[in-house]
Amino acid sequence: NAGVTQTPKFRVLKTGQSMTLLCAQDMNHEYMYWYRQDPGMGLRLIHYSVGEGTTAKGEVPDGYNVSRLKKQNFLLGLESAAPSQTSVYFCASLGTEAFFGQGTRLTVV
Amino acid sequence: QQPVQSPQAVILREGEDAVINCSSSKALYSVHWYRQKHGEAPVFLMILLKGGEQKGHDKISASFNEKKQQSSLYLTASQLSYSGTYFCGTAPTFFQKLVFGTGTRLLVSP
Repeated sequence: NAGVTQTPKFRVLKTGQSMTLLCAQDMNHEYMYWYRQDPGMGLRLIHYSVGEGTTAKGEVPDGYNVSRLKKQNFLLGLESAAPSQTSVYFCASLGTEAFFGQGTRLTVV
Repeated sequence: QQPVQSPQAVILREGEDAVINCSSSKALYSVHWYRQKHGEAPVFLMILLKGGEQKGHDKISASFNEKKQQSSLYLTASQLSYSGTYFCGTAPTFFQKLVFGTGTRLLVSP
């Protein structure tokens, strides 16, 4: 039972490049979330999903898009990366308990 | 809108107690508590779903005052392993739009 798996774990992008972060869970959870974590800012909600085919905006959605085509996967996309998107990104999956992935450390130069 | 946590940081000696508070400007359905160690992912501690509900796990417990829109996390007889950053997460409806506070850094020294 892997729980929540995020890929990649590290990535360096140039300004303007695009990328997709993948979050996969094997617990059959309906609720999935993407957060970014910056020093002193805590965990800020980017987008979330309450089930397959659904997505909703969180607190800081600008510059990001998401998709939940399959229940087990929640994808976070950056269409045109900016230095302000340098952060650690966490995916979370909720059932009766909540599980976080190990995080993706993204640097945009 | 992020819930507000207080204090921002706490330094304890092993065996001392601590209380971390979490308050929201919005009505809450649920409150979640997590602990994160440096360089690691947050780890789930507990969820409180009902107003007035109290839960405990080992020497860590929490209460939820629905009317006051706040929750408190109680750490009793702290251990070195309790060190880390504690986050509360709140949601206005069942698990939807789960937002977190800015965290409380706890350091337990020998």
